[in-house]
Amino acid sequence: AQSVSQHNHHVILSEAASLELGCNYSYGGTVNLFWYVQYPGQHLQLLLKYFSGDPLVKGIKGFEAEFIKSKFSFNLRKPSVQWSDTAEYFCAVNAAASKLTFGTGTRLQVTL
Amino acid sequence: GAGVSQTPSNKVTEKGKYVELRCDPISGHTALYWYRQSLGQGPEFLIYFQGTGAADDSGLPNDRFFAVRPEGSVSTLKIQRTERGDSAVYLCASSLTTSRPYNEQFFGPGTRLTVL
Repeated sequence: AQSVSQHNHHVILSEAASLELGCNYSYGGTVNLFWYVQYPGQHLQLLLKYFSGDPLVKGIKGFEAEFIKSKFSFNLRKPSVQWSDTAEYFCAVNAAASKLTFGTGTRLQVTL
Repeated sequence: GAGVSQTPSNKVTEKGKYVELRCDPISGHTALYWYRQSLGQGPEFLIYFQGTGAADDSGLPNDRFFAVRPEGSVSTLKIQRTERGDSAVYLCASSLTTSRPYNEQFFGPGTRLTVL
């Protein structure tokens, strides 16, 4: 069965700091990888996704993620965070089945 | 266009009661998914439909949970004899198909279920 680990449960950063959120998955076959974001009071929204091709994926709002197959990782990055990036971030994977398997989420708090 | 909608947004019920949660997917999306999110956790898969049929119901926790999608559009998640442990946010998502790259799932706002 597939599983997803997010190592950082709560991250606090100052505005303009760089962000990297870890995500590791376990599954031996072909996977689709996703990062979703949930802003306070809003529903889950897709930030970016990886299906195939270039392992460096760019998403909305300046976010990017790199798929490293040998490490089973799909870490999320942003060079300079803004206060409006305060949210919960979920990494997810879907393999042969259509269902998404999510990590437990990382709560990001950006301070002014 | 309209996104995924879910009703009610909040539902409070008493232990032992029956509840129905409704999901209206994005028009034209053939696949519909239900997830459950408990406090401090990521969403957990319950069931998904391809058209009218349940293609994978492996995430339903027990036989008190049932879902239908009779016309291939709106879906209802039904929970019998609710228990306090059923309290969670129930999320619905839909996707155009289940084939890459059209299998991106769009989520609704969720129904917060509280069982007293």
